[in-house]
Amino acid sequence: AQTVTQSQPEMSVQEAETVTLSCTYDTSESDYYLFWYKQPPSRQMILVIRQEAYKQQNATENRFSVNFQKAAKSFSLKISDSQLGDAAMYFCAPGSYNTDKLIFGTGTRLQVFP
Amino acid sequence: NAGVTQTPKFQVLKTGQSMTLQCAQDMNHEYMSWYRQDPGMGLRLIHYSVGAGITDQGEVPNGYNVSRSTTEDFPLRLLSAAPSQTSVYFCASSYSHLGQDHGYTFGSGTRLTVV
Repeated sequence: AQTVTQSQPEMSVQEAETVTLSCTYDTSESDYYLFWYKQPPSRQMILVIRQEAYKQQNATENRFSVNFQKAAKSFSLKISDSQLGDAAMYFCAPGSYNTDKLIFGTGTRLQVFP
Repeated sequence: NAGVTQTPKFQVLKTGQSMTLQCAQDMNHEYMSWYRQDPGMGLRLIHYSVGAGITDQGEVPNGYNVSRSTTEDFPLRLLSAAPSQTSVYFCASSYSHLGQDHGYTFGSGTRLTVV
């Protein structure tokens, strides 16, 4: 079974600074995907970034990048040049290619201070 | 606008009542899922479907039923509501497997309170 752990319930960062949110997961599968979703106060879930487990290269999307360590089963999210609009809950979600299940972590609440 | 539509947005039920949360999408997505979100517990998968006529259980399926008779609709039924089912429910859909191309499209949620 898949499990996912986000060990940081809350994080804070100053505007324009960099912050890293951690995520570890457990899976026995070799084929899977990893996602980070963002949930602002509006409650709408928004895809931030995704990573295919078979790709060694870390995914990047503008100011967002991941550090994917497959052997350690670690998938951290780095937000550079933080903006006030980045304040939200961030969820790590591994997805099983075999079972079609996308499982979410418990989330990290990110506060951004001006 | 295309998207995932959940109804109702808010609902209060008495213990033991039954109801159906509706979820509809007009994007011809094969994959649809139901999640519940509780404080400190993230989103937990209730049931999911990979196409019309195909459903499977997620992490917390007890007390819920689903069916998928059409590609567009994926209703979630609460058979006999319990206070433990008080939560915010999200429906999500995707065109691709696990939303690998563009992620899941989520509905705006249904806040359910069982008293």
